[in-house]
Parts: sequence; C-alpha cells; structure tokens
Amino acid sequence: AQSVTQPDIHITVSEGASLELRCNYSYGATPYLFWYVQSPGQGLQLLLKYFSGDTLVQGIKGFEAEFKRSQSSFNLRKPSVHWSDAAEYFCAVGGNFGNEKLTFGTGTRLTIIP
Amino acid sequence: GAGVSQSPSNKVTEKGKDVELRCDPISGHTALYWYRQSLGQGLEFLIYFQGNSAPDKSGLPSDRFSAERTGGSVSTLTIQRTQQEDSAVYLCASWGPSSYNEQFFGPGTRLTVL
Repeated sequence: AQSVTQPDIHITVSEGASLELRCNYSYGATPYLFWYVQSPGQGLQLLLKYFSGDTLVQGIKGFEAEFKRSQSSFNLRKPSVHWSDAAEYFCAVGGNFGNEKLTFGTGTRLTIIP
Repeated sequence: GAGVSQSPSNKVTEKGKDVELRCDPISGHTALYWYRQSLGQGLEFLIYFQGNSAPDKSGLPSDRFSAERTGGSVSTLTIQRTQQEDSAVYLCASWGPSSYNEQFFGPGTRLTVL
C-alpha cells in the first residue's frame, strides 16, 4: 500500500533562514509526487510536482524539491523564508499521470519567527 | 468555471440529520475525487469517479456515506444520519487530460455536526 511520512509535525524557523521539510514515500510504481500548502482557513494550493525528468523541480513562491529515488524522499526546500510562508505543508503521492487517488502525509506546520 | 467550486462553504447540522455536499468540477475534467480533512485523520481519500462511474470507493468510512456523479460533471456526497465524528472539511478535486498531471482542489465544505 502506498504511504507518505512527514516526520516533522511542527517546525519553527526565523524569517530569512533556510527551510527543509522532509517527505518519505512508499509507492509500488512510478510515483507522482506533490507538495501542497494550506494557509489557515484556505484551500490546498499546489507548490510543485514531480513525475519524471530532472530530479530537482522548481515551484511557486521560491520553493524547490528534490526527488531521490534511492532514499524514497521528496524534500521541500526554500533558501530564505518569508513571514507569509507560515502555513501547513502536505506531501502527497499518486500515480497514473496524477489520475489516481492521492495519499497525503500528516502535514508539517511551519511557524516563522521575526 | 475557472476552478472547482463546492457548496455550501459551511454546513452546521444536528446529529442524526442527513446532509448533501456538492462539487462542480472544472469543465471538461473527466475524473473527480472526494477527500476529507479532519483533526484526527489528516487528509484522507474517500471516493473517485471516472465519468459517472466510481471505480474506487475504498475510502468511504461507512455505509452512511454515498456519492454520485451525473452527466460526467457535478457530484454530490451524501452523509446519512450524521455523527459528530463526521465533522470535517470535505474537499473535492478534479482532473482532466489537460490538467498537467495534477488534481485541482476546491475550497472545501466545512461540516460541523452538533
């Protein structure tokens, strides 16, 4: 069965500091990997996705993620966080060109301190 | 429309009542998904439609939950005899061959069962 693990429930970083959110997945075929962000009271917004090609993918808002097949990981990074990045971040895995149910991790809540 | 829409945005009901939640997918999207986001369970898949058929209902938590999709478009999720544990945000997503391998999420319906 497919699964996603986000080991960090809550992370606090200072504004301007770098960020890395961890995601490990288990999936039996070619994975389609996604990072979503959810601000309080808001819906899910796609940050970036990976399904083939270059293992380093760029997304919106200055985020990037690196796919490492050998480690079954898809970690999200940002070189310098802004106060507006405070939100909950979800990693998800699916397949079949994205036309398959997504399995989400439990999320990582990001707090930014001035 | 431009995006996935859901109605109502908020629903408060009494325990034991039936509720219907509606999802309007992006025009032309062939697949439609229902997910649920609750405090105890995170983001979980409920049901998937391809056209008007539901090949995967594996996430429906009990037989009180049902869903249908008509005309390959609008979908309704029905919860009968609501329980307090049904309180959650119900999210709908749609996918189409032109959606660049991603599911587009609606804003959700927040259901509160008193």
